[in-house]
Amino acid sequence: DQQVKQNSPSLSVQEGRISILNCDYTNSMFDYFLWYKKYPAEGPTFLISISSIKDKNEDGRFTVFLNKSAKHLSLHIVPSQPGDSAVYFCAASRILYNNDMRFGAGTRLTVKP
Amino acid sequence: DAGVIQSPRHEVTEMGQEVTLRCKPISGHNSLFWYRQTMMRGLELLIYFNNNVPIDDSGMPEDRFSAKMPNASFSTLKIQPSEPRDSAVYFCASSLTSTVGTEAFFGQGTRLTVV
Repeated sequence: DQQVKQNSPSLSVQEGRISILNCDYTNSMFDYFLWYKKYPAEGPTFLISISSIKDKNEDGRFTVFLNKSAKHLSLHIVPSQPGDSAVYFCAASRILYNNDMRFGAGTRLTVKP
Repeated sequence: DAGVIQSPRHEVTEMGQEVTLRCKPISGHNSLFWYRQTMMRGLELLIYFNNNVPIDDSGMPEDRFSAKMPNASFSTLKIQPSEPRDSAVYFCASSLTSTVGTEAFFGQGTRLTVV
């Protein structure tokens, strides 16, 4: 049972524009959310996170938004750069359960020059 | 720190053979996770350990899969006997338990091919 869902397998945007990646989750017990970035032949690397007590967290060009009532989070990348092209995974975890992260299927972002 | 180290990077084996994947977590981390990456399901959590104790193995697909963590610096994921549908990339990750949420650090993965 997929507790974390990324319904868009791919996204293509023009360099300089905004990239918006979406993620939905089903378990209301999740209280910490993360985005990971993955290049081919490498392991996922942490990008940005947000606690359930917040609705927004920003780090440079990356912003994560959390809508708890809708069980939805999104990652905004502004402006998008060709080096951002990668697979992005959304993850959700429960702090009291040792942060056991459950991941979505991933969205492949392509930023065109 | 060298990060999470997985071995081997690539493994090709014949159906029916035993396969053992290895992981060395980051020193000081007390949680260790095994994930399997597939196109359809993304990163599936197979099992995770806290302080070397298995906490949740509900993601282990079948009894053919087993995992151990004999000490804080080493873990194995074993498949016996292996089947072609086990072909995937297997990732190990580690983290330091936190009361405010924390990220896990991933190894580079083991690409397993069962022919």
